[in-house]
Amino acid sequence: SAVISQKPSRDICQRGTSLTIQCQVDSQVTMMFWYRQQPGQSLTLIATANQGSEATYESGFVIDKFPISRPNLTFSTLTVSNMSPEDSSIYLCSVPGAYTEAFFGQGTRLTVV
Amino acid sequence: GQNIDQPTEMTATEGAIVQINCTYQTSGFNGLFWYQQHAGEAPTFLSYNVLDGLEEKGRFSSFLSRSKGYSYLLLKELQMKDSASYLCAVRDADSWGKLQFGAGTQVVVTP
Repeated sequence: SAVISQKPSRDICQRGTSLTIQCQVDSQVTMMFWYRQQPGQSLTLIATANQGSEATYESGFVIDKFPISRPNLTFSTLTVSNMSPEDSSIYLCSVPGAYTEAFFGQGTRLTVV
Repeated sequence: GQNIDQPTEMTATEGAIVQINCTYQTSGFNGLFWYQQHAGEAPTFLSYNVLDGLEEKGRFSSFLSRSKGYSYLLLKELQMKDSASYLCAVRDADSWGKLQFGAGTQVVVTP
């Protein structure tokens, strides 16, 4: 199983600022995924972080708002830009397992005030 | 894309059995997952089905019927710690590890 370290675990940010979330995996993985979980709701996929190329964004998410970096096969960052209170959510990174399940980081609980 | 439906909330007493149903409509299918999520925590993997039938893992079992687009998670001998949200997720046929989640079922276990 993969061990994923995600930080920060939580943050309170002022509107209009940006926050970068880091995700470190203990093994090399081809794909990493970023999800958002708004209060009381389920997980929604933001984008697939591709190593060596631009991230692939899902409908409703754009690079200007959620820029993603993937400098190598064990690390990725997600930035939440120009934040508003609507961005208050839990953000999770995820990697696929070797055979079946997907593994999740501990999540970053973001509150925008 | 996928359309995944599961009940919003279920309540059961300690020691009882609860069955959480999940139906999906898919443009591609490569497995169905169940995750448990306690409030404020990341989802924890419970089970995976890709072929029809029942997968049993201790107190938890999961069933899949691909022809019906239907799965259920069975929780037996409920314990108070089983109070959590249970998420049904379908894996995209085109992308290993990319999951689409249902809205989650909040299970409340009462004494």
